Amino acid sequence: GAVVSQHPSRVICKSGTSVKIECRSLDFQATTMFWYRQFPKQSLMLMATSNEGSKATYEQGVEKDKFLINHASLTLSTLTVTSAHPEDSSFYICSAPAGGGAVTDTQYFGPGTRLTVL
Amino acid sequence: AQKVTQAQTEISVVEKEDVTLDCVYETRDTTYYLFWYKQPPSGELVFLIRRNSFDEQNEISGRYSWNFQKSTSSFNFTITASQVVDSAVYFCALSEASAGNKLTFGGGTRVLVKP
Repeated sequence: GAVVSQHPSRVICKSGTSVKIECRSLDFQATTMFWYRQFPKQSLMLMATSNEGSKATYEQGVEKDKFLINHASLTLSTLTVTSAHPEDSSFYICSAPAGGGAVTDTQYFGPGTRLTVL
Repeated sequence: AQKVTQAQTEISVVEKEDVTLDCVYETRDTTYYLFWYKQPPSGELVFLIRRNSFDEQNEISGRYSWNFQKSTSSFNFTITASQVVDSAVYFCALSEASAGNKLTFGGGTRVLVKP
């Protein structure tokens, strides 16, 4: 299957700092990428859709000013958690559909980034 | 609105036993896609299968098999002769044609296979 990478895999930061997470599609181009958040022992919740060349689309209840998304190229999307607080501690996972973004495409997931805010 | 329900939160079996994971979905779309993903302790989601709403043919892949029943809106997953390496959380997910690639996940079922 297609490969999606994320960096960093783990980050610990102090409350009030900003953290940037990168998501890359390694062997395919992705005009669309997705960002999910997963709290311990819970399911994945879609946060936003990252669109190359246009603004991200956020799900209801997700603060766009807190979770900044930039789809810089066809292989890179970044999620910046601004002024992080302990309640933002979570497992952040990105995904990208391999095939151009058609509804028939299968999404492949990155390995995730575990964020801990002290 | 779309919804995916995995009623079993945790299943514990002894190695070599079969285990079936239930998934029930709700959608108003006539065109939709169903998925199963495996999430081992490492956290990375591994794609297992995709099935579109027009293909009710059951599928077998090694020790894995899937039973898609549109009449009951279910897409169940069976692991035959389970192994310790099958221990993971398994997620069923749904995407609707009208919503693009957006996936809605079920709550997940944690499978623990004991030696």
